[in-house]
Amino acid sequence: QVQLQQWGAGLVKPSETLSLTCAVYGGSLSNVYWSWIRQSPGKGLEWIGEINHFGSTNYNPSLRSRFTISVDSSKNQFSLTLHSVTAADTAVYYCARGGIVTTFFEPWGQGTPVTVSS
Amino acid sequence: DIQMTQSPSSLSASVGDRVTITCQASQDITTYLNWYQQKQGKAPKLVIYDASNLEKGVPSRFSGSGSGTHFTITISSLQPEDIATYYCQQYDNNISFGGGTKVELK
Repeated sequence: QVQLQQWGAGLVKPSETLSLTCAVYGGSLSNVYWSWIRQSPGKGLEWIGEINHFGSTNYNPSLRSRFTISVDSSKNQFSLTLHSVTAADTAVYYCARGGIVTTFFEPWGQGTPVTVSS
Repeated sequence: DIQMTQSPSSLSASVGDRVTITCQASQDITTYLNWYQQKQGKAPKLVIYDASNLEKGVPSRFSGSGSGTHFTITISSLQPEDIATYYCQQYDNNISFGGGTKVELK
């Protein structure tokens, strides 16, 4: 069965860049979209965006366009980059299989708590 | 943006009780709605998709219903392992989640 494992820095300074990576095990990136979602006490669950193995992306238009999602099909991984972070970006970030095209999210990565603080 | 409103925000029930959680959409989303279960410290897990379809491996005591703007998830007989926060998610227009309903044991 497909499993997702994610990693990245847990503490980021304001104005710097957040980078997270998600590896897919037990399956291919092909034929499905892969998403990033974050969860914070203030905003709850927010879908950030999705990517497929060709690199085609869709982003949540409700979020400011500071996010970039990329894919490395050779490593079966996809990544999230967020520039110019602020305290409002403090959240648990999840990767998951699915998105707008697939319509539901399953499975999910284990989550990466990210704190933005100097 | 489509707003998803869940009620109640929390509930307390006994083992064996029938539990129902409601999700209201701010506009018609037909049946484009999923439900997730999130246990403390864990990632959400899909329970119901397309409003009423049970995800593989999920116990049959879970069921979902609704269409348009009003949806429910029901646990027919609450078990200790069902203690979690439940979220609805729409995908009719963009993607958005409800605020969650925390289910606790009485």
